[in-house]
Amino acid sequence: EIVLTQSPGTLSLSPGERATLSCRASQSVRSSHLAWYQQRPGQAPRLLIYGASTRATGIPDRFSGSGSGTDFTLTINGLEPEDFAVYSCQQYGSSPTFGQGTKVEIK
Amino acid sequence: EVQLVQSGPEVRKPGESLKISCQGSGYKFTNYWIGWVRQMPGQGLEWMGIIFLGDSDTRYSPSFQGQVTISADTSINTAYVQWSSLKASDTAIYYCARLSGSYRLNPFDYWGQGTLVTVSS
Repeated sequence: EIVLTQSPGTLSLSPGERATLSCRASQSVRSSHLAWYQQRPGQAPRLLIYGASTRATGIPDRFSGSGSGTDFTLTINGLEPEDFAVYSCQQYGSSPTFGQGTKVEIK
Repeated sequence: EVQLVQSGPEVRKPGESLKISCQGSGYKFTNYWIGWVRQMPGQGLEWMGIIFLGDSDTRYSPSFQGQVTISADTSINTAYVQWSSLKASDTAIYYCARLSGSYRLNPFDYWGQGTLVTVSS
């Protein structure tokens, strides 16, 4: 089973700043089968990024994903108030797993 | 519009059985996989398993194999997850979600609203 480790656990930033979130896999993620989800309090997760770098339908371009192999990054350029949430990465290979999540909170 | 609507919150005692549901609409149900994801209180997401509604092919996470049963009734566009004997540690929110394509190696693109399951004596 591929273990995904996200860092940091919590990121304290101000609106307008850039957020950089990391997701590291215990072994290589095949074909960049890596997704990012956003979860606001009390809501279901929402798909942001798939294929490591492709934005899902309707996702603003301030969200971007990058990386391959074992190291992946989600970047949010210019945090909006609605972006303060928990972000989880997921590898959707043969035995999918999620990371434990990074909380982006208002500083 | 694609929608996944889950059944309401449940409270059960340890040892009891339970089946919760997820009804899809707005798309051809039998062309997609539906999965279940657990979120324990204050914790992250856990991938439980998926079922392909075209032929009922079902895959489980090793952590959930033997602990739950995933099934579906395509006549009413509904997927289920069930427990035969609940434990207090099954207390969680359970989400259903649709894989984004007919191939099983895909992310979840649409999610249900979640079902809170509370197991307490």
